[in-house]
Amino acid sequence: DIQMTQSPSSLSASVGDRVTITCRASQSIDRFLNWYQQRPGKAPKLLIYAASSLQSGVPSRFTGSGSGTDFTLTITSLQPEDSATYYCQQSYNTLQTFGPGTRVEIK
Amino acid sequence: QVQLQESGPGLVKPSETLSLTCTVSGGSVTSGSYFWSWIRQSPGKGLEFVGYIYNHGNTNYNPSLKSRLSISLDTSQNQFSLRLSSVTAADTAVYYCARAEVPASRRAFDLWGPGTMVTVSS
Repeated sequence: DIQMTQSPSSLSASVGDRVTITCRASQSIDRFLNWYQQRPGKAPKLLIYAASSLQSGVPSRFTGSGSGTDFTLTITSLQPEDSATYYCQQSYNTLQTFGPGTRVEIK
Repeated sequence: QVQLQESGPGLVKPSETLSLTCTVSGGSVTSGSYFWSWIRQSPGKGLEFVGYIYNHGNTNYNPSLKSRLSISLDTSQNQFSLRLSSVTAADTAVYYCARAEVPASRRAFDLWGPGTMVTVSS
């Protein structure tokens, strides 16, 4: 299995801050890396696919980068509605795996 | 637009079979463009890929569940279903149905149902 790790596990930031979340894969996954946002009690929502492609309808303040084993999700200007847990997910092999999540809180 | 909705019992007894259905509206499960998927999330835990069905019946299952799992299509009802046998408390989770595009360059879960909570308890 490809193991996914994320850091930090949680963070607290102010509205307008730049926030970066890191995801690391246990082996190279090329650019087969997706990012999701999950608000409490809701299903995950796709933000970024293929490492850096913005899903339709997602605000442009969300950006993704990386390849191989190291990836980042950046929120360029944090908004109140961005309070959520963020998950990375690899789709490189048939057993797709998710990271443990990063909880983002608004100060 | 396309929507997904899970349905099924919220409570299942240990050792019995968990059965869930996902109804697809606004689109067709016979589309060869998508993997029709199940993902679960245990209380307070992260997300776990369960499996998917595609191309009119081919399946891909999480190896940790494969011996107990079956995913099928019902094209007449525009639904796909999950059956997980011999359940234990460890199978207690919110179960989501989701859709992923087939092309590798876009293989992400772009559409999700709202989820349904299943508790395994006597």
